[in-house]
Amino acid sequence: DAGVTQSPTHLIKTRGQQVTLRCSPKSGHDTVSWYQQALGQGPQFIFQYYEEEERQRGNFPDRFSGHQFPNYSSELNVNALLLGDSALYLCASRSTGTSFNYGYTFGSGTRLTVV
Amino acid sequence: SQQGEEDPQALSIQEGENATMNCSYKTSINNLQWYRQNSGRGLVHLILIRSNEREKHSGRLRVTLDTSKKSSSLLITASRAADTASYFCATDASDYKLSFGAGTTVTVRA
Repeated sequence: DAGVTQSPTHLIKTRGQQVTLRCSPKSGHDTVSWYQQALGQGPQFIFQYYEEEERQRGNFPDRFSGHQFPNYSSELNVNALLLGDSALYLCASRSTGTSFNYGYTFGSGTRLTVV
Repeated sequence: SQQGEEDPQALSIQEGENATMNCSYKTSINNLQWYRQNSGRGLVHLILIRSNEREKHSGRLRVTLDTSKKSSSLLITASRAADTASYFCATDASDYKLSFGAGTTVTVRA
């Protein structure tokens, strides 16, 4: 049973460019969340998707946008990249309605470097 | 800002010893979770404790939760080299997001 799959694993982009990161949730999971983890810090919540809608958003600018597809996979898009966007981007999935008893399953992340 | 704060920031112990780390948080929660991260890779869920529980065990892990003090602790008994990692507490207050602390880096010496 595959867990959460993220692609690509590493990415180097230039300031001002745009990037798309992809995530396939664990089989049976329908809720996908995205987190940004800067070096030496804990993950910061970007947003969560359920039923193809953004359910909640963290304190991130509109340059960060996302999408969820009918098969529950998701994309994270970042426009006008800044050096400060360099981080590990983590995708996490869960089955909705299970939050009382179960944690999230995380992918291995995409390491984004902005130069 | 981060909801949880782990203490200590770093911990170095000998193989076989116990490791204890603490987490404090600020708001009411539904549950608190602990995750492990190896070398900047993905997070692995270790254990979840609900707000109406005080203690929970899973293998060599023991978690306590004191909602009156808004604090939790994670104890790893009989540590192994493979336990070397960063450990994060995460609070779930809304069912929509986890709020993480900055983590405790644990090094287990052989």
